[in-house]
Amino acid sequence: AQRVTQPEKLLSVFKGAPVELKCNYSYSGSPELFWYVQYSRQRLQLLLRHISRESIKGFTADLNKGETSFHLKKPFAQEEDSAMYYCALDVLKAAGNKLTFGGGTRVLVKP
Amino acid sequence: DTGVSQDPRHKITKRGQNVTFRCDPISEHNRLYWYRQTLGQGPEFLTYFQNEAQLEKSRLLSDRFSAERPKGSFSTLEIQRTEQGDSAMYLCASKSSQGDNEQFFGPGTRLTVL
Repeated sequence: AQRVTQPEKLLSVFKGAPVELKCNYSYSGSPELFWYVQYSRQRLQLLLRHISRESIKGFTADLNKGETSFHLKKPFAQEEDSAMYYCALDVLKAAGNKLTFGGGTRVLVKP
Repeated sequence: DTGVSQDPRHKITKRGQNVTFRCDPISEHNRLYWYRQTLGQGPEFLTYFQNEAQLEKSRLLSDRFSAERPKGSFSTLEIQRTEQGDSAMYLCASKSSQGDNEQFFGPGTRLTVL
């Protein structure tokens, strides 16, 4: 069965500092990886997906199949980046596109 | 259409009571998913529908849980004989089976079983 691990429960950084959220997955096939974000009092929403290969709100994530990782990075964190971040894996049509989530990382950006 | 909606947003019930939650997906989305999220954890898949057909149920979904999507539009999730361990946030999400592979989430229903 597939599994997603986010080793850090909490990341606290100062505004302007780089931030990296780690995500490792286990799946023998070719999954699609996502980062979802939940801001305070808001619903879970998609931040970015690996197939898009785009930067959203200054965040990027690269799928490393050799290391089975999909770490999320931003070079200069902003206070508005404070939120819960979830890495998620989709094994696509083999399983109805259901998502397997990691446990989440809370990011706190201090002024 | 302002996105996925869920009702109620909060539900407090006593152990042993039955509860029912409703999810209204984005209108053109034919896939609907239910997830459960407990404190400090990420969402866990429970079940999903394509149109009115329930195609998969997680082993997390015990016999006390039942979900329906009778007309392929809104869905209900019922929990019978609730237990304290059922206390969680129940999330609904929808997507189209075509196009972008993005699930849109509702605000969730927070269930507290006393």
